[in-house]
Amino acid sequence: KQEVTQIPAALSVPEGENLVLNCSFTDSAIYNLQWFRQDPGKGLTSLLLIQSSQREQTSGRLNASLDKSSGRSTLYIAASQPGDSATYLCAAQGGSEKLVFGKGTKLTVNP
Amino acid sequence: DTGVSQDPRHKITKRGQNVTFRCDPISEHNRLYWYRQTLGQGPEFLTYFQNEAQLEKSRLLSDRFSAERPKGSFSTLEIQRTEQGDSAMYLCASSLAQINTEAFFGQGTRLTVV
Repeated sequence: KQEVTQIPAALSVPEGENLVLNCSFTDSAIYNLQWFRQDPGKGLTSLLLIQSSQREQTSGRLNASLDKSSGRSTLYIAASQPGDSATYLCAAQGGSEKLVFGKGTKLTVNP
Repeated sequence: DTGVSQDPRHKITKRGQNVTFRCDPISEHNRLYWYRQTLGQGPEFLTYFQNEAQLEKSRLLSDRFSAERPKGSFSTLEIQRTEQGDSAMYLCASSLAQINTEAFFGQGTRLTVV
């Protein structure tokens, strides 16, 4: 059974700082890993999808990496802004087709 | 197409009542998923459809929960005889039936059982 863990559970940083969010998964037989953002009381917004054959994906100030062999993914946010404050969730998708989520990292970027 | 749409956004119901939620996926997406999220937790898988076929249901899904996707387009999730423990955000997502395809989520339906 796939299990996904996200560390830290919460993170507070000053504006402008670069930061890394961590995601680990127990079953390396995944098709892809997807990172999402969730604002309070809202649905999930897809940020990046990394296919199992890829090592990383970039979108603007976001860079996500994937190391299947070690069961890890990281989301790097450059030059953080107050508008980046949200909960960030990672989800692994394998042969069962469903996404298995971590509990998320709540990020606060202080002006 | 404006993305995945869920209705209603909020629902307050009394314990023991039945509720039904609707999800309209992105039009060309043939996969549709339902998830439940409680405070401080990640979304938890409930069930998914490929076209009109329900292909998987979570073992955690009570018999009080039923989902349909009659024409392979929109889907409904019904909860019968609601309990306070059913209070949660119910999220719908859709995707293409391909490996390495993004899943897109709706804004969710917040259910409060009083």
